[in-house]
Amino acid sequence: EDQVTQSPEALRLQEGESSSLNCSYTVSGLRGLFWYRQDPGKGPEFLFTLYSAGEEKEKERLKATITKKESFLHITAPKPEDSATYLCAVSLYGSGNTGKLIFGQGTTLQVKP
Amino acid sequence: NAGVMQNPRHLVRRRGQEARLRCSPMKGHSHVYWYRQLPEEGLKFMVYLQKENIIDESGMPKERFSAEFPKEGPSILRIQQVVRGDSAAYFCASSLQAGRGGADTQYFGPGTRLTVL
Repeated sequence: EDQVTQSPEALRLQEGESSSLNCSYTVSGLRGLFWYRQDPGKGPEFLFTLYSAGEEKEKERLKATITKKESFLHITAPKPEDSATYLCAVSLYGSGNTGKLIFGQGTTLQVKP
Repeated sequence: NAGVMQNPRHLVRRRGQEARLRCSPMKGHSHVYWYRQLPEEGLKFMVYLQKENIIDESGMPKERFSAEFPKEGPSILRIQQVVRGDSAAYFCASSLQAGRGGADTQYFGPGTRLTVL
């Protein structure tokens, strides 16, 4: 069964304390891996798409990387405004896989000043 | 360029009533996806539509739920005879296409929060 697992479930950091969020996936054929940020009461906001092992994408304090089994979202010197739930999702190749996303449970990040 | 729009943002229904959720995709996007987020659970795929066609409804409950994306107008997710278990946030996403290479990125709307009393 195709599965996406994110860890940790929750993460508390001090402002400026860098860390990484993990997304492990067990899937039949990865088409793409997506990272989103979701604030309370809002819809997911797109951050990055990764397609192949070794690929990296960067935006401000965030950097996403991917291997054949997992992806990491690295947060460098986080600020309180980076507090949110970060969601990882995959889309798959193969019959019956029409581009729908399979989401992990998310990592809720809290950055304290 | 307006993003994905959903309305209403909040909807309260009594058990047995009908709920209609609307989604207008981003300009130029012809692919629409609906997802549901139950309390304390992750986002789950429900249905994927293109104009006038349901492409994949594998995540849709077999009864009471239906979806459409007409030639003109927004996509509609319809829930008949709502029950308390239908209380959730319903999100719509749209993409330019379903292939690879960036155009398949799904952009989400703000969601409709359905409460069934």
